[in-house]
Amino acid sequence: DGGITQSPKYLFRKEGQNVTLSCEQNLNHDAMYWYRQDPGQGLRLIYYSQIVNDFQKGDIAEGYSVSREKKESFPLTVTSAQKNPTAFYLCASSTDNSGNTIYFGEGSWLTVV
Amino acid sequence: GENVEQHPSTLSVQEGDSAVIKCTYSDSASNYFPWYKQELGKGPQLIIDIRSNVGEKKDQRIAVTLNKTAKHFSLHITETQPEDSAVYFCAASRGGGGNKLTFGTGTQLKVEL
Repeated sequence: DGGITQSPKYLFRKEGQNVTLSCEQNLNHDAMYWYRQDPGQGLRLIYYSQIVNDFQKGDIAEGYSVSREKKESFPLTVTSAQKNPTAFYLCASSTDNSGNTIYFGEGSWLTVV
Repeated sequence: GENVEQHPSTLSVQEGDSAVIKCTYSDSASNYFPWYKQELGKGPQLIIDIRSNVGEKKDQRIAVTLNKTAKHFSLHITETQPEDSAVYFCAASRGGGGNKLTFGTGTQLKVEL
């Protein structure tokens, strides 16, 4: 099936630990994105990538890092520098970077314990 | 940057009635306006979108209208059904590099029997 796959669905992290969320797409999309969603709020852009080996900061990039070594993969690392990491993380992709529709994965829940 | 305001935050309607959700945006250069439906614990799904060269778009029971002069757009759902119950997000973007969508804060729609 074509789509965007995020893993794991649920993740628990101890304070001070880095964790990496996986995002894979088989839609042959050029652009990929990471959004964060907090309860009762909209989605906020963390990072985005328009092409392999290139990515840009979004509105709330502090405490996060990404890589884009392959077109189909865009992992997000939540570092210990992120002071309030508990949230729902959404990966998305689009065909190109000129305004085409963005499609979302099913999300990953991260909880700091 | 772009700012998107969405109202109401919660909306309760009787099955069969219509529901209207409104959004305003601040960036006059924005030209792409999608609407997403999000069920609990899942990623947002695109339900309809409109571009700035069109004033209205309809897909079965769902329609979106755009007023570029007033910088607002609305989602209309007719003949609501219980399965329409979800959180709805509007968004706006200029398109271009990264297609950085700015989201509204969401509307919790409840369709009561």
